[in-house]
Order: sequence, then structure tokens, then C-alpha cells
Amino acid sequence: AQSVAQPEDQVNVAEGNPLTVKCTYSVSGNPYLFWYVQYPNRGLQFLLKYITGDNLVKGSYGFEAEFNKSQTSFHLKKPSALVSDSALYFCAVRAPYGNNRLAFGKGNQVVVIP
Amino acid sequence: EAQVTQNPRYLITVTGKKLTVTCSQNMNHEYMSWYRQDPGLGLRQIYYSMNVEVTDKGDVPEGYKVSRKEKRNFPLILESPSPNQTSLYFCASSSAIAGMSNQPQHFGDGTRLSIL
Repeated sequence: AQSVAQPEDQVNVAEGNPLTVKCTYSVSGNPYLFWYVQYPNRGLQFLLKYITGDNLVKGSYGFEAEFNKSQTSFHLKKPSALVSDSALYFCAVRAPYGNNRLAFGKGNQVVVIP
Repeated sequence: EAQVTQNPRYLITVTGKKLTVTCSQNMNHEYMSWYRQDPGLGLRQIYYSMNVEVTDKGDVPEGYKVSRKEKRNFPLILESPSPNQTSLYFCASSSAIAGMSNQPQHFGDGTRLSIL
């Protein structure tokens, strides 16, 4: 079954510094990968996805992620963090065939310090 | 406005009292899903549905039921709730092509259930 690991519980970064949120996955075949963000008392919002093609994917709010097949990773990045980026970030993976089960990681709390 | 609507947003109830959390989407999406969110565990999928009258178990289906009689609605039913089902629940939907869904999911704002 597919699974996702987000190794850090919390990521602290100073405003204006680069932000990286790590994600590694396990799945049979080529993965469908997603990043979502959750603000307090709200549902998850889609940021970006990788299905196929270019390994560098650009998404909403200046975020991007790089798919690395050899390292089975899909790290989320932003060149310059904003205080408003403080939120909970989830990585998710689905297998390209079979069932449509989507596996989420446990989430990373990002705190951007002014 | 495209949205997924869950009701109620908050509910406190007692063990064994049947409850239903409703979910409705206005985007004509084929795929709908229920998740529960617990601290340190992230989101875990309870049930999903690829289309009307087609449902399947996710990772944690025990104690839950679902139905998909209409495309827009996907209620979550707890026949006999227990305290370990206290959690934050999310409904989500997405389009699906050829039986597979690789499209991003739209989430509701969540339902916080407390089972005493």
C-alpha cells in the first residue's frame, strides 16, 4: 500500500529565508503526488501536484516541489517565506492504477518567524 | 462558487447514539471521500466513492458507513459512535477520468465530532 513520510513535526524559518518541507513516499509504480496546505479551522487547500513530465512543479502562492524518483522524494519549497505561510502542510500520494486510495503524511507545521 | 459543504461543523454526542454527517458538492465531481484527522496521524481515509452507488473502504473504515445515492451527496454514518471516533472529519471531492482520479481534491471545512 502507498504511504508518505514527513519526517519533521515542525519547521521554523525566518521571514524572507528559503522554506523547505520534506516528503518521501512509497508506492508501486509511478506515483501521483500532491501537496496541500491547511489553515486553522479550515479544510485542506491544494497547492500543487506531480503526475508526469517535468520534475519541477510550480504551484500556488509561489510554492514549488521537485520530484526525485531515485530518492522517492517530493520536497516542497519556497524561495522566500512569508509570515502568512505559517500553516500545516500535507504531502499525499496515490498509486497510478488499482484503487483510488490517497495516502497522506502526518503533516508538518510551518512557523515563519517575523 | 465551487464548494464542498459539510454539516454539522461541530457536534457533541454520546456513545451509541446514531449520527450522520452530511457532505454535498456542487462541482459534479465523480470522486468523493471521507477522512479523519487526528494529531500526529495526519489524514486517514475512511471511505471513498468513484461514482453513484460505487463505494469502497479506505484505511480506517471500521465503525463507519457511507452511501452514494446521488452524485452530489456522500453522507458519513456512525451507527453506534464510540469515544475513539472523536476526531476532525473532512469530506473531499474531485473529478475522475476513466475510473481514476489524479485531480486535486476540494475539501470541506471539517466537522469536529466529540463522542462522550
